[in-house]
Amino acid sequence: AQSVTQPDIHITVSEGASLELRCNYSYGATPYLFWYVQSPGQGLQLLLKYFSGDTLVQGIKGFEAEFKRSQSSFNLRKPSVHWSDAAEYFCAVGFSSNTGKLIFGQGTTLQVKP
Amino acid sequence: GAVVSQHPSWVICKSGTSVKIECRSLDFQATTMFWYRQFPKQSLMLMATSNEGSKATYEQGVEKDKFLINHASLTLSTLTVTSAHPEDSSFYICSARSTAEQYFGPGTRLTVT
Repeated sequence: AQSVTQPDIHITVSEGASLELRCNYSYGATPYLFWYVQSPGQGLQLLLKYFSGDTLVQGIKGFEAEFKRSQSSFNLRKPSVHWSDAAEYFCAVGFSSNTGKLIFGQGTTLQVKP
Repeated sequence: GAVVSQHPSWVICKSGTSVKIECRSLDFQATTMFWYRQFPKQSLMLMATSNEGSKATYEQGVEKDKFLINHASLTLSTLTVTSAHPEDSSFYICSARSTAEQYFGPGTRLTVT
């Protein structure tokens, strides 16, 4: 069965430090991969997505993610975290038929220390 | 970007009553909308896929008679929680799919007392 795992439930980093949020997926076919951010009172916002092509994907707000098929991973990175990045981050996998149906990971809460 | 709204943003109801939640795509037409449920500090669980003009497709384990979904137009889908009980208390999120991607609403907090 398809699944998405985010091993880190909670991460705390200092402002200005680098960030990596982990995501592993289990899916038999070519996955569509997404990272979303959820802030209180706001809907999930798409940070970036991978469908095909270059395995290093650039997103909004300075985020990037790298698809590694051999490791079934799609980790999210940012070189320098800002206090406004504190939020809940979700990795998601979509079906290769692109029905729009998404399976989400458990989420990682990012706390940023001043 | 595209905007999806939900109404109400929060609702409190008594056990045994029904509650309707609206999901609207404000500046685009969505042939497909999705309903998710999110428990505190947990992931989003897909409940059903709503297609305009046809019956919704429910995920395994979701009671279709309890969670009624109607997608009457290309910009509106509704979720009705019938005979609500405290265990139905949750955060309900909808999303609407455009040709480009999927946009999420801000969610509706339902508390059943």
